[in-house]
Amino acid sequence: DSGVTQTPKHLITATGQRVTLRCSPRSGDLSVYWYQQSLDQGLQFLIQYYNGEERAKGNILERFSAQQFPDLHSELNLSSLELGDSALYFCASSSGQQSTEAFFGQGTRLTVV
Amino acid sequence: LAKTTQPISMDSYEGQEVNITCSHNNIATNDYITWYQQFPSQGPRFIIQGYKTKVTNEVASLFIPADRKSSTLSLPRVSLSDTAVYYCLVGETGRRALTFGSGTRLQVQP
Repeated sequence: DSGVTQTPKHLITATGQRVTLRCSPRSGDLSVYWYQQSLDQGLQFLIQYYNGEERAKGNILERFSAQQFPDLHSELNLSSLELGDSALYFCASSSGQQSTEAFFGQGTRLTVV
Repeated sequence: LAKTTQPISMDSYEGQEVNITCSHNNIATNDYITWYQQFPSQGPRFIIQGYKTKVTNEVASLFIPADRKSSTLSLPRVSLSDTAVYYCLVGETGRRALTFGSGTRLQVQP
């Protein structure tokens, strides 16, 4: 158990819909990262937050947005969903900005039908 | 970010030592080398991190030559449960997000 909690574990929704994925980082971790992993694909970095502020942005679509709240949990919002958005979405946390040891959650498997 | 190159796949047998090499010719002075392991449908797991020479923990060893242009992850006496994808990451700690390459798919046979 990494200490990072993601909910829900599975999500099935229709095209055009909007969903919210939630991540609770390890206790004390200030950095949160979001990744997308499509079937048999690598991990695509989406976005990073540190203590509530956006720190780095990857290949995140404009239809996607995220935020980190004062209690340090984070949410990833995916809107106008397309079939191609079906993937595993991972959240990871690390102790600070100066760490490459990140702890990953079990992921949310999103299926868009 | 320093680009990394790893073999796409490797095969081994139980009990053997496995060495996975990662090339990172453009590694910067402040960059660290980090390895992660990922099982199917699970999040990656941190294995080991190093800057130079050799680092060893209970899971693996990491060998980094003096020029730091490559690194080798060594897994002693692998078992079937070591079948996974192994990622090599190079970057300055915390300055940029963790960027994963394609990784090396290790298949351990009985």
